[in-house]
Amino acid sequence: EAQVTQNPRYLITVTGKKLTVTCSQNMNHEYMSWYRQDPGLGLRQIYYSMNVEVTDKGDVPEGYKVSRKEKRNFPLILESPSPNQTSLYFCASSPLTGPNQPQHFGDGTRLSIL
Amino acid sequence: GESVGLHLPTLSVQEGDNSIINCAYSNSASDYFIWYKQESGKGPQFIIDIRSNMDKRQGQRVTVLLNKTVKHLSLQIAATQPGDSAVYFCAENKDSGYSTLTFGKGTMLLVSP
Repeated sequence: EAQVTQNPRYLITVTGKKLTVTCSQNMNHEYMSWYRQDPGLGLRQIYYSMNVEVTDKGDVPEGYKVSRKEKRNFPLILESPSPNQTSLYFCASSPLTGPNQPQHFGDGTRLSIL
Repeated sequence: GESVGLHLPTLSVQEGDNSIINCAYSNSASDYFIWYKQESGKGPQFIIDIRSNMDKRQGQRVTVLLNKTVKHLSLQIAATQPGDSAVYFCAENKDSGYSTLTFGKGTMLLVSP
């Protein structure tokens, strides 16, 4: 089944404790992206990647890192999480470089930073 | 519970009615638009897209209309069903080239049996 898989789905942690949210897609997509979703603000892009070893900042990259060492995986790293990073996070992928293709989303990771 | 729906405009319809969800986009240079549906506890799911060289595109029970003059996008759902209850987002390719989709804040559709 074609899918984007995120782990964990839920995480409660404390300020400053490094965490990684994994994202994996099995569709051989070139483009992958991370979003955060907050009430009243909608989906905002954090980082995106057009292909292996190519990553770029989205609208809200502060406090996040990503890597793209292989095509299928695009982990989101919070080196020193803070409470303002409490949010619902989505990973997405699409088959071609560029946004003019429907992006396929994972089911989300809800992070709570205390 | 899911907090995505807070602060969202809400459209309430009866089962079997036609629904129209509207979206204003910001950039007249945007050339690609897409509608997503998000059910509680799930990620956004692609519904339909349209490029700027079109005014209308139809799918199964859904139609997207694009009015570039007033920068307006709408999603029409025919014979709305309770399973259509969700938050609906429009998105535009706001930046030229290979960058990002920019999403609207969403509209919650509630369908009563």
